[in-house]
Amino acid sequence: DTAVSQTPKYLVTQMGNDKSIKCEQNLGHDTMYWYKQDSKKFLKIMFSYNNKELIINETVPNRFSPKSPDKAHLNLHINSLELGDSAVYFCASSHTGKAAFFGQGTRLTVV
Amino acid sequence: DQQVKQNSPSLSVQEGRISILNCDYTNSMFDYFLWYKKYPAEGPTFLISISSIKDKNEDGRFTVFLNKSAKHLSLHIVPSQPGDSAVYFCAASTPNTGNQFYFGTGTSLTVIP
Repeated sequence: DTAVSQTPKYLVTQMGNDKSIKCEQNLGHDTMYWYKQDSKKFLKIMFSYNNKELIINETVPNRFSPKSPDKAHLNLHINSLELGDSAVYFCASSHTGKAAFFGQGTRLTVV
Repeated sequence: DQQVKQNSPSLSVQEGRISILNCDYTNSMFDYFLWYKKYPAEGPTFLISISSIKDKNEDGRFTVFLNKSAKHLSLHIVPSQPGDSAVYFCAASTPNTGNQFYFGTGTSLTVIP
């Protein structure tokens, strides 16, 4: 069973569109994250969320918003997609203060 | 600004020898450090971690060393195997930022058979 799964694995879309990436974890973790890996392969935190607080990295545009329907899911919504949003997005989860486990990534290409 | 740095983008080691991957950090509030391994087209896989109250943690072939005064950690892999060839990321976190993990830029390890 996949511990952290995200869908879709590949997403190609046009500029200006709105898209979502889904993430689910079955590890019983209380904290979930979204990371962005840019063209230089740098993994950068975007959000962390548990049932108490959402922490947003200040560099993330407000076109990006996480939505958590329950503890096992943290979806990423992106509005008005731009070319620079092309990257690999990773979802992850952890118990607070412990190692994070990552999904397989979603490669987003904006054309 | 990048708070976690890996200054060696690549490293090649002969099979059976020791691989040493290095990482430096700038934030003295970091209290938990981790190493991840990543294959192409996959997510990072957790390898080993260490808290700031320790200076060494060992798990099989993998040992992580932490030097708090130098703000430096390293990962030793002994003996290195061809299957260890991957990109290795170090990461650090602090409770002050919701335990978000800050990653280095990665070191690509190639183990030569």
